Amino acid sequence: DAKTTQPNSMESNEEEPVHLPCNHSTISGTDYIHWYRQLPSQGPEYVIHGLTSNVNNRMASLAIAEDRKSSTLILHRATLRDAAVYYCILRDYGGSQGNLIFGKGTKLSVKP
Amino acid sequence: DSGVTQTPKHLITATGQRVTLRCSPRSGDLSVYWYQQSLDQGLQFLIQYYNGEERAKGNILERFSAQQFPDLHSELNLSSLELGDSALYFCASSARQTNTGELFFGEGSRLTVL
Repeated sequence: DAKTTQPNSMESNEEEPVHLPCNHSTISGTDYIHWYRQLPSQGPEYVIHGLTSNVNNRMASLAIAEDRKSSTLILHRATLRDAAVYYCILRDYGGSQGNLIFGKGTKLSVKP
Repeated sequence: DSGVTQTPKHLITATGQRVTLRCSPRSGDLSVYWYQQSLDQGLQFLIQYYNGEERAKGNILERFSAQQFPDLHSELNLSSLELGDSALYFCASSARQTNTGELFFGEGSRLTVL
């Protein structure tokens, strides 16, 4: 699987938007961009995924660069509950296995 | 609640011992994955089963083994335990065996080896 690069940590204020960047310069045509997050003392949970177009769901938005070499997870109004480690993962939909390869992720702190 | 159930939630044992961790996937999910999370290594993929058969292997030690039973629950067996095996062990499930489905993770089993 192609590699992703994320900042180790970021800080945000409550109720403000948060933009979490991810670089994936070696992304291939069949790689989908997935985001998972891990809240303290819990297992990871799915956030959002996309291929080329920007995506929105109830949790977040995903903005994908035109060349697909980077993407940004957007939390529109951060809450204290959004404090977590956010993982940007590339998944090759042409692959035969389903496992996720986690990097170090970005630890998001949210200040009241 | 992800629908994935892991037991036990906490386990304390001694070096050299053997333990079994159990995972019940979401209803209808055929794929089960095991991950290990330690402080210095992050989330490491161990092994994947699909409908009872091994599908992918990651950084799983020879002292560790897993299986998926006909009712689709899975067990991870850890033997000859060492201090370094202390970690959180997560199970995840998905509907399919390939890269096109969301993974749902349980809350983990915390293993402490003394």
